[in-house]
Amino acid sequence: EAQVTQNPRYLITVTGKKLTVTCSQNMNHEYMSWYRQDPGLGLRQIYYSMNVEVTDKGDVPEGYKVSRKEKRNFPLILESPSPNQTSLYFCASSSAGGITGELFFGEGSRLTVL
Amino acid sequence: AQKITQTQPGMFVQEKEAVTLDCTYDTSDPSYGLFWYKQPSSGEMIFLIYQGSYDQQNATEGRYSLNFQKARKSANLVISASQLGDSAMYFCAMREGLAAGNKLTFGGGTRVLVKP
Repeated sequence: EAQVTQNPRYLITVTGKKLTVTCSQNMNHEYMSWYRQDPGLGLRQIYYSMNVEVTDKGDVPEGYKVSRKEKRNFPLILESPSPNQTSLYFCASSSAGGITGELFFGEGSRLTVL
Repeated sequence: AQKITQTQPGMFVQEKEAVTLDCTYDTSDPSYGLFWYKQPSSGEMIFLIYQGSYDQQNATEGRYSLNFQKARKSANLVISASQLGDSAMYFCAMREGLAAGNKLTFGGGTRVLVKP
């Protein structure tokens, strides 16, 4: 089954404690990205990757890091989480660029930073 | 300026009736795609329908249709014969041809509650 898998699905942590949210896709997609969802703001792109070792900032990259060492994996790293990073996070993947082509989303990871 | 605007934060609809969710967009790129996603209370994002800027016909997928008015820059979603399972948050999104990383720009969403 084609899917994007994120872990953990739920996490409560404290300010400053480094955490990683993993993301893996089994569709051999070139593009992967991370979004955060906040009430009234919809989803906003944090970082994206067009292929292995190719990553770039999205609209809200501050406080986040990513890496793409393998095509299937795209972890999101919060080196020193802060309460304003409390949000619902989605990993997404898609095939090669163009205006068509839906994003396939993971199930979401709800993060609370105390 | 907002690239995607959904002016209805929430709405009720009677079961079996049709509902229209508004979406307006702003872009100077002649090549773009418009998407609608559904997010039920469980949280996952479900793709519903797609409309390309060069498509001549309005997109349809089962009970979903997209009322695309290019000159007005609107891409309203119409759900016909609403069902209780249609209760969810709905997001309109756009991908511009020049956008890097296959980025989708989302609106703020519309929450729909279907009443029995």
